[in-house]
Amino acid sequence: GESVGLHLPTLSVQEGDNSIINCAYSNSASDYFIWYKQESGKGPQFIIDIRSNMDKRQGQRVTVLLNKTVKHLSLQIAATQPGDSAVYFCAESNNAGNMLTFGGGTRLMVKP
Amino acid sequence: NAGVTQTPKFQVLKTGQSMTLQCAQDMNHNSMYWYRQDPGMGLRLIYYSASEGTTDKGEVPNGYNVSRLNKREFSLRLESAAPSQTSVYFCASSEQTGPYGYTFGSGTRLTVV
Repeated sequence: GESVGLHLPTLSVQEGDNSIINCAYSNSASDYFIWYKQESGKGPQFIIDIRSNMDKRQGQRVTVLLNKTVKHLSLQIAATQPGDSAVYFCAESNNAGNMLTFGGGTRLMVKP
Repeated sequence: NAGVTQTPKFQVLKTGQSMTLQCAQDMNHNSMYWYRQDPGMGLRLIYYSASEGTTDKGEVPNGYNVSRLNKREFSLRLESAAPSQTSVYFCASSEQTGPYGYTFGSGTRLTVV
């Protein structure tokens, strides 16, 4: 079936370094992708989104890259801070746009 | 603060017991969703309500029922709880059907023993 997955379950980075979190998706018809951040004990929070007609989108310290050829999505966090420590999920919309399909999550750990 | 409120935050049930998880949003959103999150896994959609008066099954609806009581409230009911339903449950809402602008609640941690 359709699925969204992540390459790495845990990513450890040094404070101040850049972080890259990767995600693979299998549904080539998906047209909308989102990255969420989930801190311990909290619900997911929207970070950034991108539509399939775009390759790149930038926010504040975050950039999402979409490679439709290989069905790959990545989240780049610049100058990673301790407050960035969380689990990050990618998600895609289904064809009808009614539901989000989430990946398994990557835990980002920032070392001081 | 505006947002999605879930109650209770924690619950322990015995196998076979029933309970209802409550969710309310004050953002005047049309669509509401129930997800479950198991350890090390992403969120899986249980049920959703595109608008008041409508509900639809998601990826993992078995063992659950939902009620869209009004535009604000969307409840999830476990009629006969099973250990496999031990999970963290998240309610979310969005202004329109689809993934745009989901706002999630803080979750209900349910343990079935």
